[in-house]
Formats: sequence, C-alpha cells, structure tokens
Amino acid sequence: AQKVTQAQTEISVVEKEDVTLDCVYETRDTTYYLFWYKQPPSGELVFLIRRNSFDEQNEISGRYSWNFQKSTSSFNFTITASQVVDSAVYFCALSEARRGASKIIFGSGTRLSIRP
Amino acid sequence: GAGVSQTPSNKVTEKGKYVELRCDPISGHTALYWYRQSLGQGPEFLIYFQGTGAADDSGLPNDRFFAVRPEGSVSTLKIQRTERGDSAVYLCASSPGSSGANVLTFGAGSRLTVL
Repeated sequence: AQKVTQAQTEISVVEKEDVTLDCVYETRDTTYYLFWYKQPPSGELVFLIRRNSFDEQNEISGRYSWNFQKSTSSFNFTITASQVVDSAVYFCALSEARRGASKIIFGSGTRLSIRP
Repeated sequence: GAGVSQTPSNKVTEKGKYVELRCDPISGHTALYWYRQSLGQGPEFLIYFQGTGAADDSGLPNDRFFAVRPEGSVSTLKIQRTERGDSAVYLCASSPGSSGANVLTFGAGSRLTVL
C-alpha cells in the first residue's frame, strides 16, 4: 500500500531563516510520481512541483529546492531565506505512474509559520 | 471553466439528512477526484473518475457515500443519513487525466457541517 509521512506537524521560524520540510513515502511500485502542494490560509491547494521516480536530480526554483533520495524514500523541500508569504500548510503526495489517471495519496501536512 | 468550481461553499445540515455536493471541473479535464479534509489533516482520498466511470472508489468510507459523473464533466458527491463525523471540507480536483503524472487543480472546497 502507498503511504506518505510528514512527521513535522508544525514548524515556526523567523523570516530569512532556511527551513526544510520532510517527506517520507512508501510504495511497492518501481515507477511513481511525487508532488508538493501548498495550502495558504485562503484554503485552496496549489501545485508546487512534481518528480518522477527515475529522476533523482535535485531541483531548484528560486528560493525553493527539492531533494529526492530514492535510497531513503524521501522527498524533502527546502525554502531558503524564508518570507512571511511562505506561511502555509505544505503537503507531500504520491501517485502511481500509469497510463490514465491515478490515485494520489497525500501526507498529513506540515504547517509552516514564518515570523517577521 | 477557468478553474474548478464547487458548490455550495458552505453547507450546514442536521444529522440524518441527505446532502449533495457539486463539482464542475476544468473544461476538458477527464479525471476528477474527491477528497475529504478534516481540520488539521491532509486531504483524504475518496474516489476518482476517469471520464464517466469511477476508476477507484476505495476511499469512500461506507455505503452512505456515493458519487456520480454521468456525462464525464460535472460530478456530484452524495451523502445519505449524514452523521456528525462527516463534517469536513470536501475538496474536488481535476486533471487532464492522461497519466499518473498529471497535476491536480483543486477547487476551493465545500465545507460541510453536520449538527
């Protein structure tokens, strides 16, 4: 069965600090996709990034970076020089890689608070 | 439409009543998902449709919950004999549906409160 674990329930840091959100997953599939979504206080979930299981290259997008390590089944998300606008709940998610749509499982989320 | 639309945005009902929640996905998106999100929790998978058919309904908690998508576009989540434990935000999402890599676009959700 698929499972996504986000052990950090809440994190609070001061603005400009770097922060890493952890994500550990379980799957029997050899091919799968991993995602991060952001849920700001307004409530609507917004897509941030997708990785497939064959691509372990780290990715950087501005202040955001993602570290995918298949050996430890982890897909961690780092925000560099955090800003108050980064305050939100962040969810890691996992789906099978298959033709057609697929069931997508979410973790329980990490609530990130950035203090000015 | 431009985004995923969910109605009603808020629904308050009494225990034992029947409720319908509607989702209008992005035009052309063949895959449609329903999730339930309780306070402080992540989205819990309920069901997803590929076209008109339910491809996976393994997340529906019991037979009081049912969802349809008769024409492959709009979907309705139906809850019979509501219980207080059904109170949550029900999220709908859609995707192009061509592969498991598809990104979900979520609606704003329907907040259900069962008194």
